[in-house]
Amino acid sequence: DVKVTQSSRYLVKRTGEKVFLECVQDMDHENMFWYRQDPGLGLRLIYFSYDVKMKEKGDIPEGYSVSREKKERFSLILESASTNQTSMYLCASRPRLAGLYEQYFGPGTRLTVT
Amino acid sequence: GEDVEQSLFLSVREGDSSVINCTYTDSSSTYLYWYKQEPGAGLQLLTYIFSNMDMKQDQRLTVLLNKKDKHLSLRIADTQTGDSAIYFCAVQGAGNMLTFGGGTRLMVKP
Repeated sequence: DVKVTQSSRYLVKRTGEKVFLECVQDMDHENMFWYRQDPGLGLRLIYFSYDVKMKEKGDIPEGYSVSREKKERFSLILESASTNQTSMYLCASRPRLAGLYEQYFGPGTRLTVT
Repeated sequence: GEDVEQSLFLSVREGDSSVINCTYTDSSSTYLYWYKQEPGAGLQLLTYIFSNMDMKQDQRLTVLLNKKDKHLSLRIADTQTGDSAIYFCAVQGAGNMLTFGGGTRLMVKP
């Protein structure tokens, strides 16, 4: 059974703090993703990684950075949290397949920045 | 880039059929997916359809694809209260990347 876990379900941080969101998958997937989910906007891709130490910007990378030092772990970093980064953050992983593939999601981290 | 649109909300009575609609813009999309998100959880794959198919049926779920109109729908027969969730349409396009719609919140009234 594929498992994608995220370090926290709920997180409350203050404006200006550095925030780390961790994601771990146990299926040896090459590709990992970070999304944010906001009502009515669906899932928006922040960053993705297709291999260790590799990263690509998604649609909304501003204010975020990522780290992939090990294949199973993908971290999202908010260098200086702001209130407009209050959101649900979802991590996902999938194998590197050319065709049909399922993207597996973690349970999400609800981040509130005050 | 790809644009995927869904209506925000759908309310049905238990036992009725639900139809959730999705439109997309990229005609070269290869695979189209429906994901379900229950309260407090991540997304789970519900079903999918290849772009060369018109219809796919899986128990209570029927997926219809109209490639000409770039329209995808998910029909849930005999909707139950346990089907209450947010349903996301996702389209696989260039680079095998998924683009998600905004999600449709399905509320099932007993």
